[in-house]
Amino acid sequence: SQKIEQNSEALNIQEGKTATLTCNYTNYSPAYLQWYRQDPGRGPVFLLLIRENEKEKRKERLKVTFDTTLKQSLFHITASQPADSATYLCAPNTGFQKLVFGTGTRLLVSP
Amino acid sequence: DTAVSQTPKYLVTQMGNDKSIKCEQNLGHDTMYWYKQDSKKFLKIMFSYNNKELIINETVPNRFSPKSPDKAHLNLHINSLELGDSAVYFCASSQTNYGYTFGSGTRLTVV
Repeated sequence: SQKIEQNSEALNIQEGKTATLTCNYTNYSPAYLQWYRQDPGRGPVFLLLIRENEKEKRKERLKVTFDTTLKQSLFHITASQPADSATYLCAPNTGFQKLVFGTGTRLLVSP
Repeated sequence: DTAVSQTPKYLVTQMGNDKSIKCEQNLGHDTMYWYKQDSKKFLKIMFSYNNKELIINETVPNRFSPKSPDKAHLNLHINSLELGDSAVYFCASSQTNYGYTFGSGTRLTVV
């Protein structure tokens, strides 16, 4: 069956360091993969989309990689700040206009 | 000015009642979605409409019925509410193969 796995344990890092979050998927080949941020009590907010023919995408302090052979995406936040603390969701597409979300990884950045 | 707005924000109702949640987007997107986020924070797709046509209908009880009167609106009607329907329901919209914009959610509590 199709599965999306993100670290269920919270990731604790110090301000200024780089946070790296992992998303692994099995049993399908997404044409693209998206990353979202979700704060408590709010809807997910779109961050980045990376397509299957792209190895890497950047936006300001964010970087996403997409390895279709390993079936993995890595999400990096450089020079992390306490304001980056949130849950980050990985979402590969599994069909036309169909995103399936991972369970998310909670990131805590301490000053 | 809200891009995707859903009402109501909170809904507390008794088992057996029928209720509706409304969603509107002013982004000109061609696709709208309903997602359910349960107590474990897992975000699961329920329905999707593309240009007013139903394109995704996941394994959702028949008690849930979406309606899209036009491209900018997607409502969700739930009949005979059950305790297990308690969750946060998110509406979202997107242009084909681009990032989603989510509403702020409707927290449904069935007592």
